[in-house]
Amino acid sequence: EAQVTQNPRYLITVTGKKLTVTCSQNMNHEYMSWYRQDPGLGLRQIYYSMNVEVTDKGDVPEGYKVSRKEKRNFPLILESPSPNQTSLYFCASAVYFGTATNEKLFFGSGTQLSVL
Amino acid sequence: AQSVAQPEDQVNVAEGNPLTVKCTYSVSGNPYLFWYVQYPNRGLQFLLKYITGDNLVKGSYGFEAEFNKSQTSFHLKKPSALVSDSALYFCAVRDGPAAGNKLTFGGGTRVLVKP
Repeated sequence: EAQVTQNPRYLITVTGKKLTVTCSQNMNHEYMSWYRQDPGLGLRQIYYSMNVEVTDKGDVPEGYKVSRKEKRNFPLILESPSPNQTSLYFCASAVYFGTATNEKLFFGSGTQLSVL
Repeated sequence: AQSVAQPEDQVNVAEGNPLTVKCTYSVSGNPYLFWYVQYPNRGLQFLLKYITGDNLVKGSYGFEAEFNKSQTSFHLKKPSALVSDSALYFCAVRDGPAAGNKLTFGGGTRVLVKP
């Protein structure tokens, strides 16, 4: 089954304690992206990657890091989490330059992060 | 800078009645427009998209959307709403054809369909 898998589903941590949220896709997609979802603000892009070893900042990259060492994995790293990073996080993937039938994003089920 | 506006935080509709979720956008160049739906405790799912061609786009679950270039709108519609359509709906615009082009989401509209 084609899917984007995020772990963990829920995470509670304390300020300053490094954490990693994993994301893996099994569709051989070139493009992967991280979003955070906050009420009334929709989804805002944190980082994205157009292929292995190619990453770039989105709209809200401060306080986050990513890496893309393998095509299928795109972990999100919070080196020193702060309470304002409490949010619902989504990973997504897509064919980078698709035809009209496959331009859509595939989303993971989300990670609810609470930073105390 | 491109932007998407969903003017209604919530839309309430009775089951069987028509459903409309509004979206207006701003982007330089040709717009690539999308609707996604988010059910509780799930990730977003693709509903439909407008790239070019017919202004009325048909998508999943009986939804359709009408592209209006002069009004820069892309409203989502369903002729007869179901209780199972209750969810959070997001409109999005991209400034180019590739996944790597910038994609901007609206703030979302919660749809509540009452029996």
